[in-house]
Amino acid sequence: NAGVTQTPKFQVLKTGQSMTLQCAQDMNHEYMSWYRQDPGMGLRLIHYSVGAGITDQGEVPNGYNVSRSTTEDFPLRLLSAAPSQTSVYFCASSRTGLEQYFGPGTRLTVT
Amino acid sequence: QQQVKQSPQSLIVQKGGISIINCAYENTAFDYFPWYQQFPGKGPALLIAIRPDVSEKKEGRFTISFNKSAKQFSLHIMDSQPGDSATYFCAASDKIIFGKGTRLHILP
Repeated sequence: NAGVTQTPKFQVLKTGQSMTLQCAQDMNHEYMSWYRQDPGMGLRLIHYSVGAGITDQGEVPNGYNVSRSTTEDFPLRLLSAAPSQTSVYFCASSRTGLEQYFGPGTRLTVT
Repeated sequence: QQQVKQSPQSLIVQKGGISIINCAYENTAFDYFPWYQQFPGKGPALLIAIRPDVSEKKEGRFTISFNKSAKQFSLHIMDSQPGDSATYFCAASDKIIFGKGTRLHILP
């Protein structure tokens, strides 16, 4: 099992550009989440999904879009990148919504 | 509005000592309290978790102490080792709210 995989590992964007962060899991978990991690701020929930076709907002959803067409994949879209979105992004999956398995992260810089 | 408050922000402990990290929560509906460990450049990994029906859970050198009436829980790392140097996050259920993290450094 690969667990939770994220691509790319690193990305640099210019302000206003859009991009998609990919996340996939092979554990057949229903729950998937996206977090951002900023220094001194811990992990903040952006969006989450409790199953294919079902998504909901977390604590900091503005500027991000998600969809869940399959159990395995949960991409995060940045619609128009801003410097405030410079962060490390983690995807996580869970069978129950509690024990979470995190991916290795994507480090995003917006200039 | 932060629902899980973690302290201290950073902690330095001698090898062999006890590391203690504390968390406080606000929502009495929370019913699952995990601790995650994160090494530099890696994603967090679940270390140990507790439910509010018990006051303590031990796994090897790691122990969670839980005080339901005070709405507090803590992580104790016994016989701390340099390999324990990492950032630790407490969290609480309801879409898993994380504390801001504690950077732990164990002196060799």
